[in-house]
Amino acid sequence: KAGVTQTPRYLIKTRGQQVTLSCSPISGHRSVSWYQQTPGQGLQFLFEYFSETQRNKGNFPGRFSGRQFSNSRSEMNVSTLELGDSALYLCASSLGDLPNQPQHFGDGTRLSIL
Amino acid sequence: DQQVKQNSPSLSVQEGRISILNCDYTNSMFDYFLWYKKYPAEGPTFLISISSIKDKNEDGRFTVFLNKSAKHLSLHIVPSQPGDSAVYFCAAKNEKLTFGTGTRLTIIP
Repeated sequence: KAGVTQTPRYLIKTRGQQVTLSCSPISGHRSVSWYQQTPGQGLQFLFEYFSETQRNKGNFPGRFSGRQFSNSRSEMNVSTLELGDSALYLCASSLGDLPNQPQHFGDGTRLSIL
Repeated sequence: DQQVKQNSPSLSVQEGRISILNCDYTNSMFDYFLWYKKYPAEGPTFLISISSIKDKNEDGRFTVFLNKSAKHLSLHIVPSQPGDSAVYFCAAKNEKLTFGTGTRLTIIP
C-alpha cells in the first residue's frame, strides 16, 4: 500500500514569492492535515481537511491556506513568503471518519527562503 | 503555550536495556495520545497510541502508560535496539493533534 506522497521534496524560494505544496494521501484516507516543523517550535498544526472542507485550523496567518480535491489530494499555499517560513512542511493522512485514528505522515517538503 | 512537553531533549540507553521516554501535558480535554518515531529526512512514523479511557497499551517491545491524574504519558521500549535510535515525539489530540518538541534517543551498542 503506497504511503503519503509529498511533492516536491525540496524547494528554494525568495522573500515575497508564493509557493504551492502537494500531498497525496494513502488510498482510502479522506482526512489530510498539514504541519510545519522548525527546530525551535517542533511540529505545529496548520490545518486539516476532510471531504474537501477545512475541519480544523491552527494559529497561522492567512498567508497560509490549503484546499482538498475530490480525490482527497491536498495542496497547501503560502503567499508573500518570509524568511521565517523556512521549515519542513509535513502532510499526514488518516481515514478521518472516526475520532481516534492515527495519522500517517509523508516525508515532507523542505522549503528554504532566501 | 506548550500544552505537550517533552522535558528531556536527549536520552542515551545501552542496547538491551529499557528506554523510558516521558511526556507531560496540561490540557485535560486531550482524549487520545500517540507516539511517533522520526528518522532524519523522513516523516514521523506512527508507533503506538492510547485512549484516555485506558492506562496502558502494549504492542511488542513498545508499551505506553497514561497517568491522567498526573497528566503524564510514557513510552517504554524493551529491549532497546540500535534501530530504535531516532527522535521520538509524543502527541495529544482534542480536535487537533498537538506535538511535543521531541526526545532524541540514542541506543549505545
